[in-house]
Amino acid sequence: DAGVIQSPRHEVTEMGQEVTLRCKPISGHDYLFWYRQTMMRGLELLIYFNNNVPIDDSGMPEDRFSAKMPNASFSTLKIQPSEPRDSAVYFCASTLNGWQGGSPLHFGNGTRLTVT
Amino acid sequence: SQQGEEDPQALSIQEGENATMNCSYKTSINNLQWYRQNSGRGLVHLILIRSNEREKHSGRLRVTLDTSKKSSSLLITASRAADTASYFCATVYFGNEKLTFGTGTRLTIIP
Repeated sequence: DAGVIQSPRHEVTEMGQEVTLRCKPISGHDYLFWYRQTMMRGLELLIYFNNNVPIDDSGMPEDRFSAKMPNASFSTLKIQPSEPRDSAVYFCASTLNGWQGGSPLHFGNGTRLTVT
Repeated sequence: SQQGEEDPQALSIQEGENATMNCSYKTSINNLQWYRQNSGRGLVHLILIRSNEREKHSGRLRVTLDTSKKSSSLLITASRAADTASYFCATVYFGNEKLTFGTGTRLTIIP
């Protein structure tokens, strides 16, 4: 089991540019989450999917953020246009039965985004 | 915010000693989980305790849950240098199905 795979590991871009972060969840997991981690705000849930369908995107900070899950093995988080305050580590995580069932989340190693 | 609060924010102990971290939360929970995060890596699930449980063990880890005080503790016995990491509690609240992470405790084990 390769675990949750995220790419790229690091992304440095200039303000105004489009950024796309990618995630491959663990095969068979039907929940996928995008979290953002900063020193000031800790870990924040941005959006989550169940069976490729977005369930709750209330954590997405602005319309500049969008996420898709075209199939069970791939998801993207896009920021367009990017701003310096978007600088953070973005994590993707997947799980089998969701939170209420107590299934643990499996996290990728994150993408460290720096917007200059 | 329904975010859990870990205490202390940072902890340094000698290798071999026990480390205790605490987590407090605000409303009734379905379950509480502890995660570890090594520097530059994603979070790793350690242990889950359900609201009807009071104590669980996993290797050198012991977790307790006191729902009357809305608090949990994580005890790591016989600490090792490899235990150096940040530890987070995460809760699933009744009525809000999202897994919400606390602010974390940064644990440093001094060889």
